[in-house]
Amino acid sequence: ETGVTQTPRHLVMGMTNKKSLKCEQHLGHNAMYWYKQSAKKPLELMFVYSLEERVENNSVPSRFSPECPNSSHLFLHLHTLQPEDSALYLCASSLESGIGTEAFFGQGTRLTVV
Amino acid sequence: DQQVKQNSPSLSVQEGRISILNCDYTNSMFDYFLWYKKYPAEGPTFLISISSIKDKNEDGRFTVFLNKSAKHLSLHIVPSQPGDSAVYFCAAKRTNYGGSQGNLIFGKGTKLSVKP
Repeated sequence: ETGVTQTPRHLVMGMTNKKSLKCEQHLGHNAMYWYKQSAKKPLELMFVYSLEERVENNSVPSRFSPECPNSSHLFLHLHTLQPEDSALYLCASSLESGIGTEAFFGQGTRLTVV
Repeated sequence: DQQVKQNSPSLSVQEGRISILNCDYTNSMFDYFLWYKKYPAEGPTFLISISSIKDKNEDGRFTVFLNKSAKHLSLHIVPSQPGDSAVYFCAAKRTNYGGSQGNLIFGKGTKLSVKP
């Protein structure tokens, strides 16, 4: 247990569905992240929230919509996804900056778009 | 353009021997380096890190070496155990910046198999 919890662990959705991924941490961290891991690719940073404000959006398609209502919770809202969006989606949290700010990851949500 | 490269997608080692995982980076502004370990169906877990002011950091069976001039780091596991079988990710960041420049940049990972 890393202290970062993601739900659901597995999700299968159709291309016309709308679903949300949830992430929760109670580590006192002030930055939260969404990463995407596709086969044979590096972990790709999607979104960064620092102190509940979005500071990074790495040109992610608008069919992915993040929400950070407070420093402990992070959501990723999904709509009209494509099959190539099937991947492992990982949430992480950390202190915002400085030495020792390693990120702690959740267990991920395995998403399959059919 | 990958800033952090792990050129070996897989590595197989006999139990009890040393495992050496390599990582190269291109951005000379990176000053903090981390290794993460990932089992199937789990998120990455932090393993060990090293600051650019050091060239070696040791934690039990795990040692990370940093060669700044070569922009190269390596993770040594000795002795290797079957439970070490996992994917190992190298990551780097700039610590004196917040925002996007302070984010972790990951390599593609190396799958380590330790055979009994």
